[in-house]
Amino acid sequence: EAGVTQSPTHLIKTRGQQATLRCSPISGHTSVYWYQQALGLGLQFLLWYDEGEERNRGNFPPRFSGRQFPNYSSELNVNALELEDSALYLCASSLDGSTDTQYFGPGTRLTVL
Amino acid sequence: EDQVTQSPEALRLQEGESSSLNCSYTVSGLRGLFWYRQDPGKGPEFLFTLYSAGEEKEKERLKATLTKKESFLHITAPKPEDSATYLCAVQALVFGKLVFGKGTKLTVNP
Repeated sequence: EAGVTQSPTHLIKTRGQQATLRCSPISGHTSVYWYQQALGLGLQFLLWYDEGEERNRGNFPPRFSGRQFPNYSSELNVNALELEDSALYLCASSLDGSTDTQYFGPGTRLTVL
Repeated sequence: EDQVTQSPEALRLQEGESSSLNCSYTVSGLRGLFWYRQDPGKGPEFLFTLYSAGEEKEKERLKATLTKKESFLHITAPKPEDSATYLCAVQALVFGKLVFGKGTKLTVNP
């Protein structure tokens, strides 16, 4: 069974640009979660999507947004990039919104110059 | 506010030297406590879910236990391939969100 996949693996942008990160959940999973892992800060919850709807949001500014498509894949958009947005962005999926275990993808390393 | 604290931050062991990692938490209402393993530059790999105090789960050389305020990850006779960062996370009554600790970086020397 294929796991969670993310693309691209690495992404380099300059300050002020926009970044788009993509995630495909495990087959059969309907919930997708996004986390940011910056150096020294640990994993911080960003967003939760289930059945195409945003269900919960972490303490991040509105320039972090995303969506979930009908096939349950998801996209994270970060507008007006700042240097401190440099981090590993991790996507996770779970069977549905009430099932607890989240399985993570390999991440996208975003570097903002 | 839900919080997770892991200790120690780093731990060096000799191969075969057993030890324990600690995860203490404060949460409004615990739905579950999770342990993950993360290798450098990779995504976290799921290990265990614990739901209630007194629960224990085992997998190979790892055993996770849960009390009302903390969880332990016991590593018995570790091998160099057990070297990784071990992350603890809790899910409170609010669905979806996992709150993570900063992890314990384990190094096992041959």
